[in-house]
Amino acid sequence: DQQVKQNSPSLSVQEGRISILNCDYTNSMFDYFLWYKKYPAEGPTFLISISSIKDKNEDGRFTVFLNKSAKHLSLHIVPSQPGDSAVYFCAAVKPPGATNKLIFGTGTLLAVQP
Amino acid sequence: NAGVMQNPRHLVRRRGQEARLRCSPMKGHSHVYWYRQLPEEGLKFMVYLQKENIIDESGMPKERFSAEFPKEGPSILRIQQVVRGDSAAYFCASSPKGTALPEQYFGPGTRLTVT
Repeated sequence: DQQVKQNSPSLSVQEGRISILNCDYTNSMFDYFLWYKKYPAEGPTFLISISSIKDKNEDGRFTVFLNKSAKHLSLHIVPSQPGDSAVYFCAAVKPPGATNKLIFGTGTLLAVQP
Repeated sequence: NAGVMQNPRHLVRRRGQEARLRCSPMKGHSHVYWYRQLPEEGLKFMVYLQKENIIDESGMPKERFSAEFPKEGPSILRIQQVVRGDSAAYFCASSPKGTALPEQYFGPGTRLTVT
């Protein structure tokens, strides 16, 4: 039962353009969402997060949008750079409980072409 | 300011042997999570520990897998009698305040290969 879904396994974008990575979730109890970037043979690196009480969070070139009614979030990267080429995972956290365990999607491989 | 450290980075074991994976959290972090990534899949939660306590092991296979986070020293994920299906990347993450901040910071992972 895949509660967090990233339906696009890959995405190719030209340098300087916008990259939009999408994520859908099924559990309305999720209240916090995170995006991680992962290079091959490395661990995931935290990028940006958003609480369910917000619909947008911005940090430099990265913006995350949350549409709770559609159970959908997206990560916008603008302008895209070749160094952004990596696998991007979205993750969700569900209350209640004291664990904060992350539930990950399957990832989207972003390729930024110079 | 060292990040999360994991060792070994690569581990090869024959079927039936034991694998021990170690994780040292970031300085000041006392909460450790272990995740497993099978080939072509996302990361799956295994276990959450605080010093000397297992808080949530709902993602751990019922047999052969165990985890600990002693008062002194790194957290250990132990896999007994490994099988080919255990081949995966195992990631450790730590967080500074447990439930207060969901953000977790990951180590580089241990890639286990079972031959």
